[in-house]
This record gives sequence, C-alpha cells and structure tokens, in this order.
Amino acid sequence: EADICQTPRYLVIGTGKKITLECSQTMGHDKMYWYQQDPGMELHLIHYSYGVNSTEKGDLSSESTVSRIRTEHFPLTLESARPSHTSQYLCASSSGKEDTGELFFGEGSRLTVL
Amino acid sequence: GQNIDQPTEMTATEGAIVQINCTYQTSGFNGLFWYQQHAGEAPTFLSYNVLDGLEEKGRFSSFLSRSKGYSYLLLKELQMKDSASYLCAVLDSNYQLIWGAGTKLIIKP
Repeated sequence: EADICQTPRYLVIGTGKKITLECSQTMGHDKMYWYQQDPGMELHLIHYSYGVNSTEKGDLSSESTVSRIRTEHFPLTLESARPSHTSQYLCASSSGKEDTGELFFGEGSRLTVL
Repeated sequence: GQNIDQPTEMTATEGAIVQINCTYQTSGFNGLFWYQQHAGEAPTFLSYNVLDGLEEKGRFSSFLSRSKGYSYLLLKELQMKDSASYLCAVLDSNYQLIWGAGTKLIIKP
C-alpha cells in the first residue's frame, strides 16, 4: 500500500477548466513538494511546504497554487488550465533534519489539457 | 547558474557493469542523491553521498568527489529490470534539490 497517494492518476480536460490534483501522505512528514516533469526532462520544483500553513513557490510555480491545512494533505490547484500545463505532476514528501533526507514520491498525475 | 550534467542515454549488456557519471556546478553543496525512475513511474531513492568516497549498497555503488564536482553510480551484474532512467540530484546551499535530466539506461540481453 502506497504511503503517498496522488489522485487522479490520469486527467484529460479542456482549456480554461479549474483542476485540483490531490496528494496525501501517511508518513507524518513535515516537508512536501510538487514537481513537474516532461518526458526525458529534469524535475522542476513548482511548490513546497515545510509544515502546516507553510507554502513556498519553486522555480516553476506558473499559475498554480497550493495549500497545507493538514500535515498529510498538499493539494495543487490550477485555476485555468492551458495546453502548456500538459505534463506529469509528481508529489513528494520527506523527513529529516535540515532539509536532508530521502524523497518519497507518489505515482504521479498525468495531465493533458486540450 | 546551477547545472547538473549526465549522459542522456547509455546501453549495456545483461550481467555486465555500467558506470553512470554526473558532474555538477551548484551554489553550495549539501549532498548528492541518485534516484531510479522506470518509464511512467515515480523516482525511487537509490543513494545519498555527502562525504567523498564510495558507498556500496548491494549491486549498486555511488561515488563522490566534492573537489571535482563529480559523482558516479556503478551498477554491477546488470539485470533487465535495471533498464530505467537514473537521476542525479544535488542539494544546494539553500537545501533545494537541483535535478539532472537523467540518464536512460538500456539493458540488452
């Protein structure tokens, strides 16, 4: 059973729609991250959180927003999806001191915007 | 700017040994990670090096030289299931992970 769960796994939507990608972890990790990854390319950090009510933008925050109301939950919202948002979105969490520590990834949400 | 370089693709034979190199230029250094990512799946952790030298973990070993900004991942006794992308990532001075684009490893029988 996965300790970090992302839903939906696959989503096809039209331009202009609002979507929320869900991410939940049961490991009690304080740190959570959202990455965007295109095929054969590096991971780009979109948003991250070091705990409840803490959110920061990464180097590719685009037009998305996140919230961290509970430790285990870190949803990502696109207010108005565009074809350029077509990509794979990976959620991850980690524990450990001073931001070190292994990242545990969810299985990803593959988004296609028509 | 910050940069992680690793070969785009490598091919090796089942049962053989392969070395995947990674060079980095980052603002500070707080450790280097290797992750394995099978096609269509999420990355999984392989190793973490923060001190110079070789870390061995079963068939996989990871080496670090901080003075040279260089690391390699060594895979021994290759199996078909080792076909995957291998991602090198460096934790910079702000404790942000900088990722390489990954090396796609193809294993042939």
